[in-house]
Amino acid sequence: SAVISQKPSRDICQRGTSLTIQCQVDSQVTMMFWYRQQPGQSLTLIATANQGSEATYESGFVIDKFPISRPNLTFSTLTVSNMSPEDSSIYLCSVTLAGADTQYFGPGTRLTVL
Amino acid sequence: AQSVTQLDSQVPVFEEAPVELRCNYSSSVSVYLFWYVQYPNQGLQLLLKYLSGSTLVKGINGFEAEFNKSQTSFHLRKPSVHISDTAEYFCAVSDWEGGSEKLVFGKGTKLTVNP
Repeated sequence: SAVISQKPSRDICQRGTSLTIQCQVDSQVTMMFWYRQQPGQSLTLIATANQGSEATYESGFVIDKFPISRPNLTFSTLTVSNMSPEDSSIYLCSVTLAGADTQYFGPGTRLTVL
Repeated sequence: AQSVTQLDSQVPVFEEAPVELRCNYSSSVSVYLFWYVQYPNQGLQLLLKYLSGSTLVKGINGFEAEFNKSQTSFHLRKPSVHISDTAEYFCAVSDWEGGSEKLVFGKGTKLTVNP
């Protein structure tokens, strides 16, 4: 497996502001993903973070709202832009290691928008 | 696209009782199946996975699951639960749509183990 860290672990933000979440992995990974878990709900994939190119977004998620960067194999950021209370969720990054078929998850970032 | 149905949103059991958490997925040629556990205020931890081979898969903390292709099911079982097993359990299936592997999650089953 891999050690995955996320910063911040939690935050309370005002509507209309933006928050950038960082995901750092201790080993080189092939794939990095960002998920959203709304209160009391399951996980929904936001996008696949591609190294050195634009992320691949799932239906219902757009780059203007959730810009993603992945400058190298072990680091990615997700920005939640122009936040509203509906963005209050846990945001999780996950990774797939080279040669593996399993996704491992970070501890999550708990976001509350007032 | 794949979909996952977890038939029970909440399962209360007494300590040391057996438990089964049910999971069904939509049919596909080949699938990878996973169970993850989420303890309160924590991220997801992999319990077990089925990629190929034996249909009975053993995971951590005494859990096991059986892949049943004809019934498109991957139910999770434990013969004797502990208070510490109280958590939310998510079944997930791999989806190769679009050429990259994604995970599709069920809605989760909240297991509560009572003394």
